[in-house]
Formats: sequence, structure tokens, C-alpha cells
Amino acid sequence: GESVGLHLPTLSVQEGDNSIINCAYSNSASDYFIWYKQESGKGPQFIIDIRSNMDKRQGQRVTVLLNKTVKHLSLQIAATQPGDSAVYFCAERAGTASKLTFGTGTRLQVTL
Amino acid sequence: DAGVIQSPRHEVTEMGQEVTLRCKPISGHNSLFWYRQTMMRGLELLIYFNNNVPIDDSGMPEDRFSAKMPNASFSTLKIQPSEPRDSAVYFCASTLGDPFYQPQHFGDGTRLSIL
Repeated sequence: GESVGLHLPTLSVQEGDNSIINCAYSNSASDYFIWYKQESGKGPQFIIDIRSNMDKRQGQRVTVLLNKTVKHLSLQIAATQPGDSAVYFCAERAGTASKLTFGTGTRLQVTL
Repeated sequence: DAGVIQSPRHEVTEMGQEVTLRCKPISGHNSLFWYRQTMMRGLELLIYFNNNVPIDDSGMPEDRFSAKMPNASFSTLKIQPSEPRDSAVYFCASTLGDPFYQPQHFGDGTRLSIL
């Protein structure tokens, strides 16, 4: 995940719309990626993961897209709900001998 | 199913005191991780265990920090003596299988304030 400094980027979406949260990574050796959701006062909650041998993976209302050419990862949330409001982190593993590195996150605000 | 359980949820203490944070991983998981989260640095890995054995403690900030895992269902992170800069949220996570090739499941953390 990229380091974006102290200010969390914020995405504001209307209830019912689709959300797209982006994450850039820099290491071409990264082979595993995870998206987490963190609500205030709680720990990161696993949403979906993807390995580098895939371009797309779908879950319930969520889709992760991986573009290895431009080193970009995105999380799409369909029909965004107020309960989706949280900070979303991407995490990457930079190859088989590496640990997970977490991005600083994006805050998703769902408006009614 | 019970997730990762951490205690206490909040701890406020004066600098110089010993602090012990506790974690019960998900039953059956064989890797356990301690992370620290701050606004400045985000989520940082401090140490992780595999089958109760410490594998990598390179993220532990100083000798004031120590961690143990006496059995598969319990781990502690100790800070002695504590300092104000240790104030952060400390998370424990666990997983089954390859430690960094499977989703890690986090507890709700201990919010630590050192005065």
C-alpha cells in the first residue's frame, strides 16, 4: 500500500451508489493483497483477498480488481449502505519472504 | 464463532509502569501477530509467532517491549517501563496456514494511554 501521509483521503458516496476505493502499490514482486474495513473503535475486519495470479475476485457486494501492469488495486462496493462507512485499508505481501505492509487507508462516508 | 479476544480494551497508566496486554487467538490458528496502530505510522507489525515460537521480532521498538506465547491459546505483550510515546492502539491478529499468505483476523485492540 502507498503512504499518503497523515490525512486520510475521504470518499463520499450516496447511499445506493457504487463505491470504488483505490490503492497503488510499488513493488512488482507483490503477490498477495487484502482489503480490510476498520470501523471506529474496532479492529481491521477482513473483506476480501486476491492473489497475483488473478485479476478479479468477487464476494458479497464487493469486487477486488488487480491491475499488475500499473500496480493498482481497487475495491468496488455495490449498492453502498450506511453500514459501509469506515476506513478501508489495502495490504500487500511483497513476495514470498515478506510480511504484510498496510496502506494508510481511505475513509468512506456514506450519505443518505 | 469467537474471534480474536484482547484485554483490556482500554488501559491508562503513568509512565514508568509496567503494562501487560493479552490476546486469545482464534481456536486452531497457528500464527499470532502483534501490531501497533498510530495516526503517524499506521499499522506496524511488532512481532509474530508461528506454532507458539517467536519468528520475527524485528518490529519491536526497544528492549522495553517483550512478547510471549506460552501456549496456543494465549499471548502477552509487555511494556516495561512504559513511556508516553508508547501510547497507541495495539492489535493482536491470528491466522491459519502461511502467516502472510492468508487473511489475518484481528481483535478489537487495546487502546493504551501512557500519561
